[in-house]
Amino acid sequence: GQNIDQPTEMTATEGAIVQINCTYQTSGFNGLFWYQQHAGEAPTFLSYNVLDGLEEKGRFSSFLSRSKGYSYLLLKELQMKDSASYLCAVFSGGYNKLIFGAGTRLAVHP
Amino acid sequence: DVKVTQSSRYLVKRTGEKVFLECVQDMDHENMFWYRQDPGLGLRLIYFSYDVKMKEKGDIPEGYSVSREKKERFSLILESASTNQTSMYLCASSPHGTGNTEAFFGQGTRLTVV
Repeated sequence: GQNIDQPTEMTATEGAIVQINCTYQTSGFNGLFWYQQHAGEAPTFLSYNVLDGLEEKGRFSSFLSRSKGYSYLLLKELQMKDSASYLCAVFSGGYNKLIFGAGTRLAVHP
Repeated sequence: DVKVTQSSRYLVKRTGEKVFLECVQDMDHENMFWYRQDPGLGLRLIYFSYDVKMKEKGDIPEGYSVSREKKERFSLILESASTNQTSMYLCASSPHGTGNTEAFFGQGTRLTVV
């Protein structure tokens, strides 16, 4: 079967660092994405990993370990506008079937 | 500016009606996807298409069908709408191939079946 797991909710303080974990079991792997979704809006792309290691992009970084089926999204210097849902998604299969986890709702407090 | 356009933002339909949700992309992408999003369940894949006239079932295809007659357009059809199909429906598209094949999303259609 195919399974992508993330924590349901997280809270953090403005200015802090937060790590959102994602574990996956899929038939085939062609890359892992992180998306951000604000309430009532469409998901928007944050990061992509296909090889093991860390990808850094400003305040956001994403890490992948293919052997462990594990990824995390690291958000630094949190801002109030980072309050959103963060979706982990895996491309699997020969035609890049895109499967999402249930998402992690992050609340940033002053 | 890349664009995925869904035909309606809000839709109200009656139980038993046939419902068409349309999605158009202007990026010449091969892959197109239909998801529904419900609180606590995230985005669940209904159907996807990797080429014109080609389709694959996702995780929850029951009660839905799709049509892809042209590369830019992917339609989701509810043959006989039911109240449990009340949801937010999101369309996405992405290119084939390896590398950063980022998917782009439409704004979503909030469907209410009464």
